[in-house]
Amino acid sequence: QVQLVQSGAEVRKPGSSVKVSCKASGGTFSSYGLSWVRQAPGQGLEWMGGIIPISGTSHHAQKFQGRVTITADESTSTAYMELSSLRSEDTAVYYCADDSRGYFDYWGQGTLVTVSS
Amino acid sequence: DIVLTQSPGTLSLSPGERATLSCRASQSVAGSFLAWYQQKPGQAPRLLIYGASSRATGIPDRFSGSGSGTDFTLTISRLEPEDFAVYYCQQYSRSPTFGPGTRVDIK
Repeated sequence: QVQLVQSGAEVRKPGSSVKVSCKASGGTFSSYGLSWVRQAPGQGLEWMGGIIPISGTSHHAQKFQGRVTITADESTSTAYMELSSLRSEDTAVYYCADDSRGYFDYWGQGTLVTVSS
Repeated sequence: DIVLTQSPGTLSLSPGERATLSCRASQSVAGSFLAWYQQKPGQAPRLLIYGASSRATGIPDRFSGSGSGTDFTLTISRLEPEDFAVYYCQQYSRSPTFGPGTRVDIK
């Protein structure tokens, strides 16, 4: 069974960056596909982008073009999502999820990122 | 992007009743690559259905999915107390998108 464990809550100022990690266990990391999905307070789910660790190929939603960087470190079975030029609207819970089959069958516990001056 | 619309926005029902949730896509979802998730407050979403109609591991058989093309349905045959939650559909035939969700609350 795949387990995804994310890094802890973060507080950032507007204009800064944040990097969230997602450590995978219980499977073969190189065979994963991992996506990042966020949820603003009281709002729905929004796919941000994903990565295939074995190839290092990442892709992201057009909305986050130029602001999101998704990477993976096979040696530690960890994926990362870095979001830059933060604004208050980026305050959200950020989830990583296994998308190896296209749908999201395993999820991390979520990381709250708060953007406030 | 494929835009997903869910209806109703909120469904107020009693335990034991049947719930029917709709998800409509702005264009055909190829391969019926449509999933449903349940989310409770403070928790990550949980996969219920994939491929429009296949139940995920450990999901009770009171949950069923149907549909193809642009119209999909999640049915909960008899609501249990633990089923009151928000439900999202998601397509994965192209870049993933989610519907806005349907809240199922206790009448």
